[in-house]
Parts: sequence; structure tokens; C-alpha cells
Amino acid sequence: QQPVQSPQAVILREGEDAVINCSSSKALYSVHWYRQKHGEAPVFLMILLKGGEQKGHDKISASFNEKKQQSSLYLTASQLSYSGTYFCGTERKNSGYSTLTFGKGTMLLVSP
Amino acid sequence: NAGVTQTPKFRVLKTGQSMTLLCAQDMNHEYMYWYRQDPGMGLRLIHYSVGEGTTAKGEVPDGYNVSRLKKQNFLLGLESAAPSQTSVYFCASSYPDGQETQYFGPGTRLLVL
Repeated sequence: QQPVQSPQAVILREGEDAVINCSSSKALYSVHWYRQKHGEAPVFLMILLKGGEQKGHDKISASFNEKKQQSSLYLTASQLSYSGTYFCGTERKNSGYSTLTFGKGTMLLVSP
Repeated sequence: NAGVTQTPKFRVLKTGQSMTLLCAQDMNHEYMYWYRQDPGMGLRLIHYSVGEGTTAKGEVPDGYNVSRLKKQNFLLGLESAAPSQTSVYFCASSYPDGQETQYFGPGTRLLVL
């Protein structure tokens, strides 16, 4: 079952902040975040493992709440280069191997 | 290091025709995946492979077959293409290090008429 991402789309001005949420109805082992620019391949941003850790990548950080089965991606002081579609992927185990189930994505547009 | 490459980049098929999409990676990754991406649907897993000679079904496997004869290559086949298979197809690969960060290819845009 696909994780649910919210909001579906965000429009920001350069320098503003945004939060993208990802929630699942199933227990989460880990959450992966990817960004895809228009016409390009998805690119890995970060992974959040069990333990409620928070990670950062430049001015982009994320948190993982196992109990609530959700993760949030925080974009601080957004830059034009942050524009794109953000996907969360939740880990699913099949016969001992892991695959990712991706959400439908959150489109982020940062304008000057 | 080319990473993950896909051929072809774009293809138009008629309903009922067959074709094979090729994915190649030079990172010595064990795991490889095929996804399709449709507007508003995100990335959906078609098939995946955890090693040479092994394949497994993903979320949306119907109408597709795959083969992994060599570790570096993962082929996706459409035996009888249907308009519902019009999509952008992405291949990805990862290393089994407990995190399995996936590296994606540039995609193949397929149009079935």
C-alpha cells in the first residue's frame, strides 16, 4: 500500500520554509526521500532508519516517528534549486529482501 | 562511471507489438528494479532482482517479463504492448548494505498507440 504524502503541491517564494509529510498505515522499517526534477531521474536525498533519528542534507532535514508511522521532510530557506517533485519511499520486506513503496509525490515550486 | 543507463530513451509502439527495454549498471550492484511512472501515481515497482538469475514480482507485474542473465543487466520485456502500458519506465540499482539506496537511470518514455 502506497504511503500518503501531503500536501500534493506547494508553491513557495525563495527563502520560505516548507514541510512535506509522509504517512503509512503499516509499520515502517525505514523511510527514503528522493527528489525528481522535471524530465529527470529521481535522486536520493536521505534515508531515515528506525530510532526516530533526524538527518540533514544542506538545508533539508527529515524526521521519522515510528509510533506515528510517519516521516516529515523540512526544507529551510528554500532555494530555486529545490523545485521538483519529492517522493517518500517506505521499506517493505519480501522474503528477507527489501523493496520500496513510493508515495505519489509532492510537487514543490520555488519562485524568485 | 556511467552509473545506470537505459536504452532506448524513447519508443513508440503499436498495440500488440513487443519490445525489450535494457538497463545496465556499472556499480557492481546486486539489486536491480524496474518501475513505471504515470502522472499522479508516483513510482510503482514492476519487477525486481536480488541477484544474477533471480527475479521477483513487484506491485504491478502483469503484462511484463524480466530477465537478469548478467549481474550488470536487467531486461524488461513487453510481449504484447497495450495502450495502458504507455508510461515512463525507470530502472534502478542498489547495493545490499542495509540501506539499499537506489540509483536511477534516466528513464525510457514509451508510447503505445
